[in-house]
Order: sequence, then structure tokens, then C-alpha cells
Amino acid sequence: SYELTQPPSVSVSLGQMARITCSGEALPKKYAYWYQQKPGQAPVLVISKDSERPSGIPERFSGSSSGTIVTLTISGVQAEDEADYYCLSADSSTTYWVFGGGTKLTVL
Amino acid sequence: QVQLVQSGAEVKKPGASVKVSCKASGYNVTVNYMHWVRQAPGQGLEWMGWINTNSGGTSYAQKFQGRVTMTRDTSISTTYMELSRLRSDDTAVYYCARVGPGDWGQGTLVTVSS
Repeated sequence: SYELTQPPSVSVSLGQMARITCSGEALPKKYAYWYQQKPGQAPVLVISKDSERPSGIPERFSGSSSGTIVTLTISGVQAEDEADYYCLSADSSTTYWVFGGGTKLTVL
Repeated sequence: QVQLVQSGAEVKKPGASVKVSCKASGYNVTVNYMHWVRQAPGQGLEWMGWINTNSGGTSYAQKFQGRVTMTRDTSISTTYMELSRLRSDDTAVYYCARVGPGDWGQGTLVTVSS
């Protein structure tokens, strides 16, 4: 079955840049979506279609894609960015979707 | 604005079935796919499947095939997810979601316990 691979954890100092990667074989052909989830809350879409930032999402959130890896970048990390981040994408047939395992972002 | 409102929490016994509803408003409900996602306590997000709210076509994750059924009633803008033969490890918060636009329901806690 199709899998997306994320690092389990990323730590970054306040105000620095955080990068979270997601790798998958179909990512060159399929869009990825990034979700932020804080404890006890529903996920929030922070990046759509690899690099589109939805309305209301701060400009410090950006996304990029290169081959089989997509990257969520948070520039100038704030304390409120501490959360779990998940990538989501589909397999090459777009029949089955899958989440990455999630990355816990810790702000030091 | 877009709202997805889910049914309330459920407590079920092992072997039973549960049916969770998701009522949509604020957009044309026949346009998008509705996905269902679950999250067990302390675990990550798990994709369960989608339903094409126009045609009624479905796709289910292999893990749930044979146990999950997704349906819709366009007359009341509602989609449903039914999971059968429940086990204790099905205890989770279940969400409906429009993946692309990023709209999610508030979640429905399903507890499976004898």
C-alpha cells in the first residue's frame, strides 16, 4: 500500500526556520496537502496543492515540491506554531489517499 | 460560510455497528468528494475513504474494506459513514472532511467498550 514518510519530530528555536519533509513515490504526480493539528482540535489546512496558502494562514507558512519530496517551511517560527503537522496525498490512481505519520514540531 | 456538522458521540459494544452523519452547508454539496478520517487516542490521522457526493461512488482504504460503508443523501446535504463489527481499537474521533478546501467537521468520538 502507498505510504508517505515524515520525520517524527522537528525542533526549532523561536524565530528560526522550520522545515518538515514528506516523501512518497507519487508526489511528482499528485498534490500534497499540509495540516496543522493542535491538541484537542480538528486539523487545519495550512498548505494546499503543494504550495498554495489558504486564506487566513500566515505568510510564514509555505510549501514546495521537488521530485518525490514535498516540504512545509515555517519562516520565523512562533510559539503558537508548536503542533503536529501531517501531509496528505493520493496514490497515482487518486483512488486511495494516505496521511504521513505526522511530525511533532517543538519550538524551543 | 462552509460548515460540516457531525452527529454526537457514541458508545458501542464490540461487534456492533456505528453510523456517523455529516451535514454540510454553505456550498454545493454535489460538487466535492467527502473524505472520512479517524484518529485514535494519541495516534495520527488515518484516512478511511471518500464518497463522491454527486455520483455516490466510493473508495475505501484497504484496511476498512468490508467493514465500512459511506453513503449520502443529497436532499438533506448529509453524508454518512457506517463502520461495522466494531472492535476496541476502533475507538477514535471520526471526522468528515473536504480535503482540498480544508473544511472539517468537529469530530465524533466513538468509544467501543464492553
